[in-house]
Amino acid sequence: AQSVSQHNHHVILSEAASLELGCNYSYGGTVNLFWYVQYPGQHLQLLLKYFSGDPLVKGIKGFEAEFIKSKFSFNLRKPSVQWSDTAEYFCAALPGGSYIPTFGRGTSLIVHP
Amino acid sequence: DVKVTQSSRYLVKRTGEKVFLECVQDMDHENMFWYRQDPGLGLRLIYFSYDVKMKEKGDIPEGYSVSREKKERFSLILESASTNQTSMYLCASIQGGISYNSPLHFGNGTRLTVT
Repeated sequence: AQSVSQHNHHVILSEAASLELGCNYSYGGTVNLFWYVQYPGQHLQLLLKYFSGDPLVKGIKGFEAEFIKSKFSFNLRKPSVQWSDTAEYFCAALPGGSYIPTFGRGTSLIVHP
Repeated sequence: DVKVTQSSRYLVKRTGEKVFLECVQDMDHENMFWYRQDPGLGLRLIYFSYDVKMKEKGDIPEGYSVSREKKERFSLILESASTNQTSMYLCASIQGGISYNSPLHFGNGTRLTVT
């Protein structure tokens, strides 16, 4: 079965620390990849997406993600986190031609000021 | 900007009650979804619909049904609510088609408590 794995379930950082959240997917063919973020009390919103082209994707608020096809990975990074980045982060994968994405279990990030 | 509206933000129901969760989107999207979100389990797909009156089971359809009589509206129904259905319910929509390349748009969620 198709799956998305997020290896970090809870991450606690201090402000200015660097962040990397892991995401691996299990599809072998064309795949579209997403990171969604859910700030406390708010709805899920798109952080960034990869469809094709440059495997290094830049999103909002200084986040970026790198698609590495050989590793089936789409890790999320930010060089210097802020307290306002405290949120839950979800990786999602969508096989080409499908409209049903599969989500990872999410990573809860807490940033201490 | 796409708007997905869920009719209730918080809902408290008793065991055995029939519960309706409503979702409306304003962008003429073909595809609509109902997820439930639980701590440590992420988002799990309950049902989805790819057209009016069309529906497909997701990963956890037991205890739920859906209705899509109009393109913009997708309802989730708990026939007889149980305490294990206490959860956050998220509705989402997405543009379909062969050249699809857009992300999901989510509603704000309905936090349902069954007592």
